[in-house]
Amino acid sequence: KAGVTQTPRYLIKTRGQQVTLSCSPISGHRSVSWYQQTPGQGLQFLFEYFSETQRNKGNFPGRFSGRQFSNSRSEMNVSTLELGDSALYLCASSLVPGEETQYFGPGTRLLVL
Amino acid sequence: AQKVTQAQTEISVVEKEDVTLDCVYETRDTTYYLFWYKQPPSGELVFLIRRNSFDEQNEISGRYSWNFQKSTSSFNFTITASQVVDSAVYFCALSEGSTGNQFYFGTGTSLTVIP
Repeated sequence: KAGVTQTPRYLIKTRGQQVTLSCSPISGHRSVSWYQQTPGQGLQFLFEYFSETQRNKGNFPGRFSGRQFSNSRSEMNVSTLELGDSALYLCASSLVPGEETQYFGPGTRLLVL
Repeated sequence: AQKVTQAQTEISVVEKEDVTLDCVYETRDTTYYLFWYKQPPSGELVFLIRRNSFDEQNEISGRYSWNFQKSTSSFNFTITASQVVDSAVYFCALSEGSTGNQFYFGTGTSLTVIP
């Protein structure tokens, strides 16, 4: 069974631009979560989607948004990029929210210049 | 306050030595889940082990074992007979029953296994 896939793997943007990252969960998994990893803040929860609905959101500004499609694929969008948004963005999927183990994708490395 | 604390920032061991990674957590939920993940240089977080709050039985899985103690809120992870391929950053994570899939991660322990 294929794992979680994320596209693109690497991205370079400039301040003020916007970016969209994509995540395809493991087949059959309906819950998708997003995390941001930076050297300074570590791994931080962004948001979680299940059945096309955002169930939970971390403490990030409104510039960070996401959505989930009927096939469970998810996208996250960051508008008006700032230098501090440079990070590894990780997507994780699980069968359902709650007690299930989350499996992570390889991440998208975003560099904002 | 940090919900998950990994006090060890970096550890170096010589190949074949045993190494224990410490994790202390904090939660008020009675239902919660604890995880260990490994992050090699490639960046992907690889699931290692998971434990729920109702099961304090400690187990061994191959070269991995864990010690879950609710009395001290600790969930330590041991690698026996370490190998160079074990070199990575290890993260302990907590998931609370009240917040679903939101993981709280520790700051990670960077393990270097010296051949």
